[in-house]
Amino acid sequence: SQTIHQWPATLVQPVGSPLSLECTVEGTSNPNLYWYRQAAGRGLQLLFYSVGIGQISSEVPQNLSASRPQDRQFILSSKKLLLSDSGFYLCAWRWSGIPYEQYFGPGTRLTVT
Amino acid sequence: KNEVEQSPQNLTAQEGEFITINCSYSVGISALHWLQQHPGGGIVSLFMLSSGKKKHGRLIATINIQEKHSSLHITASHPRDSAVYICAVTPDSNYQLIWGAGTKLIIKP
Repeated sequence: SQTIHQWPATLVQPVGSPLSLECTVEGTSNPNLYWYRQAAGRGLQLLFYSVGIGQISSEVPQNLSASRPQDRQFILSSKKLLLSDSGFYLCAWRWSGIPYEQYFGPGTRLTVT
Repeated sequence: KNEVEQSPQNLTAQEGEFITINCSYSVGISALHWLQQHPGGGIVSLFMLSSGKKKHGRLIATINIQEKHSSLHITASHPRDSAVYICAVTPDSNYQLIWGAGTKLIIKP
């Protein structure tokens, strides 16, 4: 069976500090991978998606970046965090073809102080 | 106008009531998804539909492709059903999800 891991679960970082959130998927190969953010009281916003190693598409211009160094590893990074980066970050995966269902990780709650 | 609209935005009901949450969309889709987000933030996929009706326990999801409308029903609602329910669609044109804003459901004992 497939599982998706995210860490850390919670993170408190000062403004201007770097960020690295990691997501890994087990039990599948060549998944599509997604990073979403949910600000307090808001809906989900797609940040990045990847269809393969080294292939990253950005949906929203911002000070965040994503990388996919391995097939089942997706990393969200920032060189300098902003207060507005606070939120709940979710990683998700789906099969590269049908079906279209996405499976979500447990999420990381980031507070930038 | 958003491509995926949910109603109501907020819903408070008493335990045992029959709950209906609606989702309308304006694009051609390959699939429609209902997801549940608990207060802690975790998201769970409830259903993925491309036609007809699906049932899982007390949850029922229906979709009418011609009318571009889906409903999520909860029978014999319980306080543990309190969560945000999100509708999302996979459009024909690509494999990304288009998200509804969510419906916050509170079931009072």
